Amino acid sequence: NAGVTQTPKFQVLKTGQSMTLQCAQDMNHEYMSWYRQDPGMGLRLIHYSVGAGITDQGEVPNGYNVSRSTTEDFPLRLLSAAPSQTSVYFCASSYSKARGGLDTQYFGPGTRLTVL
Amino acid sequence: GNSVTQMEGPVTLSEEAFLTINCTYTATGYPSLFWYVQYPGEGLQLLLKATKADDKGSNKGFEATYRKETTSFHLEKGSVQVSDSAVYFCALMNTGFQKLVFGTGTRLLVSP
Repeated sequence: NAGVTQTPKFQVLKTGQSMTLQCAQDMNHEYMSWYRQDPGMGLRLIHYSVGAGITDQGEVPNGYNVSRSTTEDFPLRLLSAAPSQTSVYFCASSYSKARGGLDTQYFGPGTRLTVL
Repeated sequence: GNSVTQMEGPVTLSEEAFLTINCTYTATGYPSLFWYVQYPGEGLQLLLKATKADDKGSNKGFEATYRKETTSFHLEKGSVQVSDSAVYFCALMNTGFQKLVFGTGTRLLVSP
């Protein structure tokens, strides 16, 4: 199993450009999520999905779009990049529990994004 | 709301020293508690977890006990190694919710 994979590892954008961060998992997990990691702020949840066709907003969703057309993939789209979106982005996945909540979350290696 | 507070780092120790990283939480109900570790250039890995009060999670020599009376989940290790140098995150998840809430992370630096 490859686990959770993310591409690219590094990306530099200019303000106003758009791009998609890719995330894929091969563990058949129902739940997938995107976090951003900023110094002194820990990880903050951007968007999450509990299954194909279902997405919801996290703590900091503005400026980001997601979709979940398959169980395996959960891309994160920046429609018009801003310097405030300079961060390290992590994708994570896990099984959902029968009574709600999540099993252990598995994280990808991250994408370091710089917006100039 | 739910929140996690960790001690600020960096924590700098010599090899074989005793480690404590403090973590306290605020949550309604009975959350599950986690410690994640992030090695340089990598994503987060689950280090240990505890799902109810008085549970002790342990892994790789690290331990943490879920203390409901003090709302704490402090991470300890008796003898740290250089390879333990990393950033450690405390996190919680409330029953029925599908979101992890993270602390800000504590960087540990261990010198030979």
